Amino acid sequence: EADIYQTPRYLVIGTGKKITLECSQTMGHDKMYWYQQDPGMELHLIHYSYGVNSTEKGDLSSESTVSRIRTEHFPLTLESARPSHTSQYLCASSYVRGLPPGELFFGEGSRLTVL
Amino acid sequence: AQKVTQAQTEISVVEKEDVTLDCVYETRDTTYYLFWYKQPPSGELVFLIRRNSFDEQNEISGRYSWNFQKSTSSFNFTITASQVVDSAVYFCALSEAGGSEKLVFGKGTKLTVNP
Repeated sequence: EADIYQTPRYLVIGTGKKITLECSQTMGHDKMYWYQQDPGMELHLIHYSYGVNSTEKGDLSSESTVSRIRTEHFPLTLESARPSHTSQYLCASSYVRGLPPGELFFGEGSRLTVL
Repeated sequence: AQKVTQAQTEISVVEKEDVTLDCVYETRDTTYYLFWYKQPPSGELVFLIRRNSFDEQNEISGRYSWNFQKSTSSFNFTITASQVVDSAVYFCALSEAGGSEKLVFGKGTKLTVNP
């Protein structure tokens, strides 16, 4: 059973608010990821990190930012939320170094609705 | 560019029926990895299987089986004697060049198994 936690699970906020989605894992994984999942179900990588102080943007452009100050923690922040940010955000982590790529362990997601 | 196509958006079957979920991928890499993940209603994606491009042997795990055919760039997933608990969204994914854990996901197939 994976030990990766996301809070909040559900968030409804107004336009212009600053929000932070929390993601923590207790498995000591170096690699962490944020995926955005649209209502049509497709997942897109928006941020990833291969270790402390390492963050990179993913394939889908996102106005959100991330930080990785501690191995176990990978929060995602939106400085000014807009309705277009309404989506489900999934955090994941993995451990394996080198090949083959390891499995991803996912959190249960944070469903964000911006009014 | 890498791409994963899951042409079936939704499938509905009656319990005990067999069902096959299709996955077609595109990549220019000679070494790549394919995955299947299950997303139950609770939201978190659960790893089911990883295959590398050099291993075309079919795999069976209980009621689940996977058929990998490089000639047709397909990695199909069959559930035998489906159960209500199999109801979920199933994602096929391809690792990016170099075999990292940065995955390109298909759009998913929503499977509903009715009693």
